[in-house]
Amino acid sequence: ETGVTQTPRHLVMGMTNKKSLKCEQHLGHNAMYWYKQSAKKPLELMFVYSLEERVENNSVPSRFSPECPNSSHLFLHLHTLQPEDSALYLCASSRTGYGYTFGSGTRLTVV
Amino acid sequence: DQQVKQNSPSLSVQEGRISILNCDYTNSMFDYFLWYKKYPAEGPTFLISISSIKDKNEDGRFTVFLNKSAKHLSLHIVPSQPGDSAVYFCAASGRSGGSNYKLTFGKGTLLTVNP
Repeated sequence: ETGVTQTPRHLVMGMTNKKSLKCEQHLGHNAMYWYKQSAKKPLELMFVYSLEERVENNSVPSRFSPECPNSSHLFLHLHTLQPEDSALYLCASSRTGYGYTFGSGTRLTVV
Repeated sequence: DQQVKQNSPSLSVQEGRISILNCDYTNSMFDYFLWYKKYPAEGPTFLISISSIKDKNEDGRFTVFLNKSAKHLSLHIVPSQPGDSAVYFCAASGRSGGSNYKLTFGKGTLLTVNP
């Protein structure tokens, strides 16, 4: 149990599907993040939410849509993805000034 | 342009020996550095960190060294154990730069410790 829970662990979706990734933390952290990990690339920051407000969007395509309804939950809504979007999607949370706690990730495959 | 670089994609070490993982950074605003360890099918887990006001931080078998003038840090694992086999990510942030404490990660180094 890492303190940050991501569901589902694995997801296979077609290019016309709509799905959502969920992240939940009960660590009292005030910032949450979505990262993408592709093979042989650094962890790529996608979105940052601080105190439930999006403070960063790193030029992510609009087919990825984040949502942070409260400080404990973060979603990533997916629609009309491409095969190159297949990757491990990691959620993390932190208290400002400290390192992250990561979830186990969702392994996404787009077919 | 990568601001955090781990130039060795992999490293193989014999059990009991020292493992040295290296990391270079280019952004002089970074003042807080972390190492994360990642097993397959799991998220990265925090290992050890160092603030720019220090040049060394030790925690059991793990020691991180920071050379600010060279913009270089290294993680030493002594003695290495087979269970240390994992991908190690170097990360950096500019804590003093405001409320956004985002981390910038390197590509990772796969460490294999052979029995």
